[in-house]
Amino acid sequence: GEDVEQSLFLSVREGDSSVINCTYTDSSSTYLYWYKQEPGAGLQLLTYIFSNMDMKQDQRLTVLLNKKDKHLSLRIADTQTGDSAIYFCAEIGGGNTPLVFGKGTRLSVIA
Amino acid sequence: DVKVTQSSRYLVKRTGEKVFLECVQDMDHENMFWYRQDPGLGLRLIYFSYDVKMKEKGDIPEGHSVSREKKERFSLILESASTNQTSMYLCASTMDRENSPLHFGNGTRLTVT
Repeated sequence: GEDVEQSLFLSVREGDSSVINCTYTDSSSTYLYWYKQEPGAGLQLLTYIFSNMDMKQDQRLTVLLNKKDKHLSLRIADTQTGDSAIYFCAEIGGGNTPLVFGKGTRLSVIA
Repeated sequence: DVKVTQSSRYLVKRTGEKVFLECVQDMDHENMFWYRQDPGLGLRLIYFSYDVKMKEKGDIPEGHSVSREKKERFSLILESASTNQTSMYLCASTMDRENSPLHFGNGTRLTVT
């Protein structure tokens, strides 16, 4: 079945760039998503990329997609303390399950 | 904006109690989902529904049931709460399960003592 892998922890200094990486298995995925979860809250859709794109930029966020390697990354420029959260990568799964999530990367921003 | 509302942010229940977790969405979405989130395990799908009165088991349905009597409401029931069901429960909905993201509620943190 589909599987989405991401590292569990990332620590960066305030003002630096953060790069969160994700690998997925379903090459037929049409969309890939990044969600952000702040402490005690649900998941908030952060951004997404359509599978025929290589890159998408939205203010401080840059999403890069390498379909050949099934690798997705989220870059956050000028990381702030408010960016501290868990970030989930997700792909459209096959069959009855619409989204398959990674286990989440906990980003800690050090002031 | 889509709003998914979970009736309780925090719940404390005793072992053996029957627990009801309620979720309501206001965007006429046909598809609704219940996930459980635990540290190091990510999100695990418990049950989902693609239409009123329709339900499908997810990856970890044991010990749970669901009810979808109306399109906007999807309830998760823990038949007899146990301490290993202490967790964060997340409800989500989407218009199109093939091409649309999920919209999540804020979660219910359940503690079973």
